[in-house]
Amino acid sequence: EPEVTQTPSHQVTQMGQEVILRCVPISNHLYFYWYRQILGQKVEFLVSFYNNEISEKSEIFDDQFSVERPDGSNFTLKIRSTKLEDSAMYFCASTPTLLGGYTFGSGTRLTVV
Amino acid sequence: AQKVTQAQTEISVVEKEDVTLDCVYETRDTTYYLFWYKQPPSGELVFLIRRNSFDEQNEISGRYSWNFQKSTSSFNFTITASQVVDSAVYFCALSEAQDYGGATNKLIFGTGTLLAVQP
Repeated sequence: EPEVTQTPSHQVTQMGQEVILRCVPISNHLYFYWYRQILGQKVEFLVSFYNNEISEKSEIFDDQFSVERPDGSNFTLKIRSTKLEDSAMYFCASTPTLLGGYTFGSGTRLTVV
Repeated sequence: AQKVTQAQTEISVVEKEDVTLDCVYETRDTTYYLFWYKQPPSGELVFLIRRNSFDEQNEISGRYSWNFQKSTSSFNFTITASQVVDSAVYFCALSEAQDYGGATNKLIFGTGTLLAVQP
């Protein structure tokens, strides 16, 4: 069964550093998402991406965040200058159509020290 | 505004007991989707079910069943004869996207219910 692949599974970074979280969505999917889950809390929507542009972003997704689909297969989330409160699990997801079923990746656990 | 409430923070049961996880949602739309996900200790999100708002039939899949009641805006999840492997956090989620030409179908998650099944 096709999968959404996220790398790395765990990343530790120093406060103030830039991090890039990588995702490879399912190849024929057209809609892409990032979600965040702070430890012990609920999963929160960050951003959706379609047709090479952001279609919606939450208030969490401030100027420190950006997304890109650089080569038609990868979908990346960049955090420019990490803060301690960015420590969380980040999930990538994709869907084939707007109302198609979601497939989530297994997540990247980001730890900011 | 969209909202999903899972009032049960933690539930502890003994193996073979039946357990029901509650989910209440709020939405202004008549067309929406409801989901349940399982998050085991390893952290990934495991899809369990998606139900659209026009389909109020209850669903059964093995030991799992779901009761969707629009009159009470609830989408409850029952595990029959629970097992230790069912121990996880369970999330209910809602999406309101309609195929009107929009380009986002975000999920709104509840806060989750931690289910602990004791042997």
